[in-house]
Amino acid sequence: DAGVTQSPTHLIKTRGQQVTLRCSPKSGHDTVSWYQQALGQGPQFIFQYYEEEERQRGNFPDRFSGHQFPNYSSELNVNALLLGDSALYLCASSSPGGYTDTQYFGPGTRLTVL
Amino acid sequence: DQQVKQNSPSLSVQEGRISILNCDYTNSMFDYFLWYKKYPAEGPTFLISISSIKDKNEDGRFTVFLNKSAKHLSLHIVPSQPGDSAVYFCAASVEGAQKLVFGQGTRLTINP
Repeated sequence: DAGVTQSPTHLIKTRGQQVTLRCSPKSGHDTVSWYQQALGQGPQFIFQYYEEEERQRGNFPDRFSGHQFPNYSSELNVNALLLGDSALYLCASSSPGGYTDTQYFGPGTRLTVL
Repeated sequence: DQQVKQNSPSLSVQEGRISILNCDYTNSMFDYFLWYKKYPAEGPTFLISISSIKDKNEDGRFTVFLNKSAKHLSLHIVPSQPGDSAVYFCAASVEGAQKLVFGQGTRLTINP
C-alpha cells in the first residue's frame, strides 16, 4: 500500500523565483492538505484541497497557491520566493467523513531559498 | 497566537521507564487531538488520537490522556525503547475542519 509521496526531495531556489511542489496521496484518500514546517517549529497549515477545490486556507499570503487533479494528486505553487519561505513543506492526505479522519504525511520537500 | 503549546523542548528518559510528554491548548473549540512522531528526514507518523468525548485512549505502549477542564493532554509511553527517540508533536482540530494545529514539538531521547 503506497503511502503519501512527494517530489522533489530537496530544492534550492533564489529570491523572486517560483516553485512547484508535488504530492500523491495515500491510496484511497481524496483530500490533500499542505503544511509548512520552519526549523524548530511545528507544521503550519497552508490549505486543503478536496474535489479539486480549495476547501480551507490558513494564514498564508496569496503567493501560495495550489491545485488538485482528478486523480487526487496535488501541487503547491509559491511565487516571488522570499528567504523566509525556506522550510520543509509537508503534504498530508486523508479521506472525507468527519473530523476523526487521520491525516497521513509524506516525507516532505526541503525548500531552500538563497 | 500559539493555540497548542508543548512547553518542554526536550526530554531524556532511561530505557524501560515511562516517558510522559505534555501538551496544552487554549482553544476550547478543539475536540480532536492527535500525537505524531517525527524522525529526521521523514514526515510525521501518526501515533494515537483521542476525541473530546473520551479522557483516555490506549494503543499498545502508548496512552493518551485528555483533561478538558485543564485544556491539557499527555502521551505516556511505557516501557520506553531506544526506537522511541524522535520529535513528538501534538496536534488539535475542530470538528469538520480537518485543519490540524500543531505544537512546537518535544524531542524525546531514550538512553540505554
